[in-house]
Amino acid sequence: DTAVSQTPKYLVTQMGNDKSIKCEQNLGHDTMYWYKQDSKKFLKIMFSYNNKELIINETVPNRFSPKSPDKAHLNLHINSLELGDSAVYFCASSRTGAVDGYTFGSGTRLTVV
Amino acid sequence: GENVEQHPSTLSVQEGDSAVIKCTYSDSASNYFPWYKQELGKRPQLIIDIRSNVGEKKDQRIAVTLNKTAKHFSLHITETQPEDSAVYFCAATSTGTASKLTFGTGTRLQVTL
Repeated sequence: DTAVSQTPKYLVTQMGNDKSIKCEQNLGHDTMYWYKQDSKKFLKIMFSYNNKELIINETVPNRFSPKSPDKAHLNLHINSLELGDSAVYFCASSRTGAVDGYTFGSGTRLTVV
Repeated sequence: GENVEQHPSTLSVQEGDSAVIKCTYSDSASNYFPWYKQELGKRPQLIIDIRSNVGEKKDQRIAVTLNKTAKHFSLHITETQPEDSAVYFCAATSTGTASKLTFGTGTRLQVTL
């Protein structure tokens, strides 16, 4: 069983479209994250939810909206996609306080054309 | 907020040699320092971590050292093998409800035969 699963694995879409990425974890963690990894491999946090509550919201455009229906799921919806949104998006989960580090999902490679 | 610097950005070693990757952090409240290995096209995976109450930790060919006074921590890989080739990320956090890992910029390690 995959601990943190993301769908889809690949996403190719045109500029201006709206798309969603889904993430689910079965580790019993109560904190989930979205990270963006750009072409230079930099890993930057976007959002974090703890028990369905948004606790970290870095300077991310309003076009990005996370949703956590329960503590095992964290989805990312992106409106009006731009070329600069092309990246790999990683979901991750941890126990509260990241005391043992993260478990990452396998990533979603988003390509905006 | 926390800022983590990582050096070198690329490192090439011959099989059997040692590799050392160094990181510095800025937030004196940081108390947890994991290291992740990311193979091409894969997710980052935790390989070793260290907490601020410990100066050194070893796991087979991998060791981490932490100097809290200087805010430095390092990853040491001995007897490198071709399968050690990957991008390595250091990270830092102060554990708490709103914790997040701040990652270094990554080191691409190439182990040559």
